[in-house]
Amino acid sequence: DTGVSQNPRHKITKRGQNVTFRCDPISEHNRLYWYRQTLGQGPEFLTYFQNEAQLEKSRLLSDRFSAERPKGSFSTLEIQRTEQGDSAMYLCASSLSQGRNTEAFFGQGTRLTVV
Amino acid sequence: GDSVTQMEGPVTLSEEAFLTINCTYTATGYPSLFWYVQYPGEGLQLLLKATKADDKGSNKGFEATYRKETTSFHLEKGSVQVSDSAVYFCASNFGNEKLTFGTGTRLTIIP
Repeated sequence: DTGVSQNPRHKITKRGQNVTFRCDPISEHNRLYWYRQTLGQGPEFLTYFQNEAQLEKSRLLSDRFSAERPKGSFSTLEIQRTEQGDSAMYLCASSLSQGRNTEAFFGQGTRLTVV
Repeated sequence: GDSVTQMEGPVTLSEEAFLTINCTYTATGYPSLFWYVQYPGEGLQLLLKATKADDKGSNKGFEATYRKETTSFHLEKGSVQVSDSAVYFCASNFGNEKLTFGTGTRLTIIP
């Protein structure tokens, strides 16, 4: 297994366009998380899935954002009508749920630039 | 609410110097605590963790002890190397498995 994979690595889009990112987690992991990281800040939680169920969404996740994990494997994060403030690194992580001992493994992220 | 406060950087040290990066948390309960590291051009990697009070996490010469009395989890290394240059993030898991991160500390080690 090569770890958590995210595609694309970089995306430049014009304001108002829609974008979709993909995350392929480690195969046996049942939990998948999306985080957003802006320059000079730590990652901020957006949402997470257990298998195909989306269990929690942050208040940071406006209605322009939607995430899916249709078969409990890969996940997509779509941003509609992008704004310049959406420019950030979008990180995906996966884990095998183990409560307090849970270790999350991160992908290298997708860097979004909205121009 | 629950949060993590991390020593701001950047931090620049000479090779073989002693390193401390401070991290404190606020929580209504007792979280699990983590240090993640991000090397240039790479994703976040777990460096070490501790899940209860007085636990010490250690890896690659780095150590951090979970101090309930001071709500801290400071990262230390006795002798840093150039290869330790990276951004270090303190994080906590307040029982729901999502991580709350500090703002990160950029560490640069000069030969």
